[in-house]
Amino acid sequence: GAVVSQHPSWVICKSGTSVKIECRSLDFQATTMFWYRQFPKQSLMLMATSNEGSKATYEQGVEKDKFLINHASLTLSTLTVTSAHPEDSSFYICSARKGGTGELFFGEGSRLTVL
Amino acid sequence: GENVEQHPSTLSVQEGDSAVIKCTYSDSASNYFPWYKQELGKRPQLIIDIRSNVGEKKDQRIAVTLNKTAKHFSLHITETQPEDSAVYFCAATDTGGFKTIFGAGTRLFVKA
Repeated sequence: GAVVSQHPSWVICKSGTSVKIECRSLDFQATTMFWYRQFPKQSLMLMATSNEGSKATYEQGVEKDKFLINHASLTLSTLTVTSAHPEDSSFYICSARKGGTGELFFGEGSRLTVL
Repeated sequence: GENVEQHPSTLSVQEGDSAVIKCTYSDSASNYFPWYKQELGKRPQLIIDIRSNVGEKKDQRIAVTLNKTAKHFSLHITETQPEDSAVYFCAATDTGGFKTIFGAGTRLFVKA
């Protein structure tokens, strides 16, 4: 298998502040990572594809200025929720593929609560 | 883009019975179809997958079938056990192995 680690696992912040979530591939290099958002009892919605050394690719309807993604190294991608509002409260989960296999390995997820 | 539909949204079975979850996809270029199991508060874990050059794959009590023509694929769990209770997601990945799009999920309850 492969290990993807995400931090923090949960965060509470005030409305208007920014929150950064880190996603690390611990035992492999990932040129591409994927950020998903999951509302309670709902599916995993792809937000964006994080590309090492270049700009992220955002899915339709996802504000790139709201959800800043940086993939500065082969093992680290970060998602920053800027000027967070209560409607941004959700479970954010990252994933990556190891090598040429199709399997996605997921991080533990980060539960964001915006007050 | 790819769209994956999954049914049913909830499935309740008696321990020992079989469970079947069905998905359809829209993009004929998709060629990899994984199934993930997510327990409450945990990360999704791959349980089985199938590629477009295969019609069926089995791993102990779990099997997946794929009908490329109809763009249907299904998950079959036999001899269900209480620990099979979880949310199951089907997914489709495009030809480049790039984006993986998930179905809405099926909440499976196995009653002892």
